[in-house]
Amino acid sequence: EVQLVESGGGLVQPGGSLRLSCAASGFTLSDHYMDWVRQAPGKGLEWVGRTKNKARSYITDYAASVRGRFTISRDDSKNSLYLQMNTLKTEDTAVYFCLMFWSGYPYWGQGTLVTVSS
Amino acid sequence: VLTQSPGTLSLSPGERATLSCRASQSISSSYLVWYQQKPGQAPRLLIYDASSRATGIPDRFSGSGSGTDFTLTISGLEPEDFAVYYCHQIGLSPGTFGQGTKVEIK
Repeated sequence: EVQLVESGGGLVQPGGSLRLSCAASGFTLSDHYMDWVRQAPGKGLEWVGRTKNKARSYITDYAASVRGRFTISRDDSKNSLYLQMNTLKTEDTAVYFCLMFWSGYPYWGQGTLVTVSS
Repeated sequence: VLTQSPGTLSLSPGERATLSCRASQSISSSYLVWYQQKPGQAPRLLIYDASSRATGIPDRFSGSGSGTDFTLTISGLEPEDFAVYYCHQIGLSPGTFGQGTKVEIK
């Protein structure tokens, strides 16, 4: 059974940093594209970024709103995906989800809340 | 860009709901999915490959379309179907979401 469990969310001051983790099970992480998606309170879903699979050299891409501040990485040996968030802004406050794609079928974690506030 | 319409749909239980998702450029049907979301919950996958129902999804939910125009139809609304619905393009980077359609009780 595929499972994705996010962790690492919390309260951080503007300008601070936070690293989110996504623990994956039920599949081989290196075989799959992985995305981070977020949802600000009362708002819609926003794509944050992607890391492609090993066959695609783990190429990453980011939304313009986070490019240069956020970094996606993965540790396939630990079956874990990460989102390093630096220089956080109040507008980064959101629930952050990790997603895995299996032949056009997306799997979601339950999300972790990040609050950026002084 | 994915544009959903209408923004809000006011209907009564038992009525048919038709939700639209239009893409600014042609996308593969294999990479168009639909979700239902209720407050405080993660999105729930309804439809993948534009027209395939996800595991456990009732057959009153159906998806159709190709190219730039996609539709989610709920054939007879049940009380638990009143929620927000999103389309999502998963094939290309950046991934994109529609802005959502809220289906509310009339």
